[in-house]
This record gives sequence, C-alpha cells and structure tokens, in this order.
Amino acid sequence: EPEVTQTPSHQVTQMGQEVILRCVPISNHLYFYWYRQILGQKVEFLVSFYNNEISEKSEIFDDQFSVERPDGSNFTLKIRSTKLEDSAMYFCASSLDRINQPQHFGDGTRLSIL
Amino acid sequence: QQQVKQSPQSLIVQKGGISIINCAYENTAFDYFPWYQQFPGKGPALLIAIRPDVSEKKEGRFTISFNKSAKQFSLHIMDSQPGDSATYFCATRMRGNEKLTFGTGTRLTIIP
Repeated sequence: EPEVTQTPSHQVTQMGQEVILRCVPISNHLYFYWYRQILGQKVEFLVSFYNNEISEKSEIFDDQFSVERPDGSNFTLKIRSTKLEDSAMYFCASSLDRINQPQHFGDGTRLSIL
Repeated sequence: QQQVKQSPQSLIVQKGGISIINCAYENTAFDYFPWYQQFPGKGPALLIAIRPDVSEKKEGRFTISFNKSAKQFSLHIMDSQPGDSATYFCATRMRGNEKLTFGTGTRLTIIP
C-alpha cells in the first residue's frame, strides 16, 4: 500500500537555527498537510496546501513557518528560527481530494530543539 | 466550539472484552468523524469514519456509534485483542473544510 514518507525520523537542532522537514506524499495525492504533536498532547493542524498555495493555516503557523513543494514529489516544512517550544513530532499527511477521501499520515519527524 | 472532548484518557480491557471510547463535540457544522489508531513511533492511521447521516457504521470488530442530537460519537472495539493496544484519537472536520481537529487521545491496553 502506498504511504507517506518523512525524513529525517529525528532532527536535533540548536535554538535559533533553521530546520527543514521533508515529506514525500502519496504519488497521486493532490492535497498536503502538516500537523504537529507536542509530547503527550493531541495532534494539531498546522497548514494545508493545494495547487502550490496554502489553502488553510492555523494560528500556530506564524511567519516563522513556511511550506513548499519544490518539485513533483517533495513537500517541505521550514521553520526559520527555531524555538524551544517547537520541539514536537511533526506529521505530514496527504489526501486524494479535499473532502471525500481520508488523510493519510506519515510516521513523523521528531524535532528536538536544544 | 472547535474542541473535541475525548474520554477516557486511558483504558485497560481484558482480551475478548469490548473497548469503548467516547468523544463529544459542540459545533454542529462538523460533518466528518474519523477515528485514528496510533502505535508508538508511528503516525495516526485511519481506522474507521462516519458522516452524520447514519447512526452507526461497522467494519469488522470496529463500530462507530453516532448520536447527532447529543453531539457525541463513540468507538467500540469488539473482542479486543492485545494487538489493539494503541492510542486512539477521534477527530472532526467542519463542512467544506480540510482541517482535522483531534481529540486528546485514549491509550488503550488490552491485557491477556
């Protein structure tokens, strides 16, 4: 079964540094998402992306965050200047359509900010 | 109004028993109610989902019961097995929207 692939599985970064989290969505999917899960807490929506544009974003997704689909297969989340509170598990998801098909999640990248 | 309240936080069930996890929501504009299963070190995986035009949906040992008037929905796992031990999240999505709003999760442990 096709799956969403995320790299790296664990990223350790110094506070204030930039970090890029990478995702390869399922190949025929058109809608892409980032969620995050702070340790022990619920999964929270960050942003959705379609047709090379952000379609929706949460209040968490401030100017420090950006997303990009640099080529036909990758989908990236960049955090420009990381803070301690950015430490979390970041999940990428993709779906075939916006409403009728489910979102499929990757196994996540654990981001640790020191 | 965007929140989804999930209970219990943790649940221990004997093998062969029925596991029941509940969620409550406030916003009547939600029109999609999925349950996700998450194993340690893995991402959430869709287990089963329901829309508000039906009151129950069954897939194998997993059943969603949906009570529109009470704004509640629950996951029932029949004949629970040790392999069902995982964290379960309910979620909701607003009509016409892409964003999933997750509950706080239930850690389910099935004991022999």
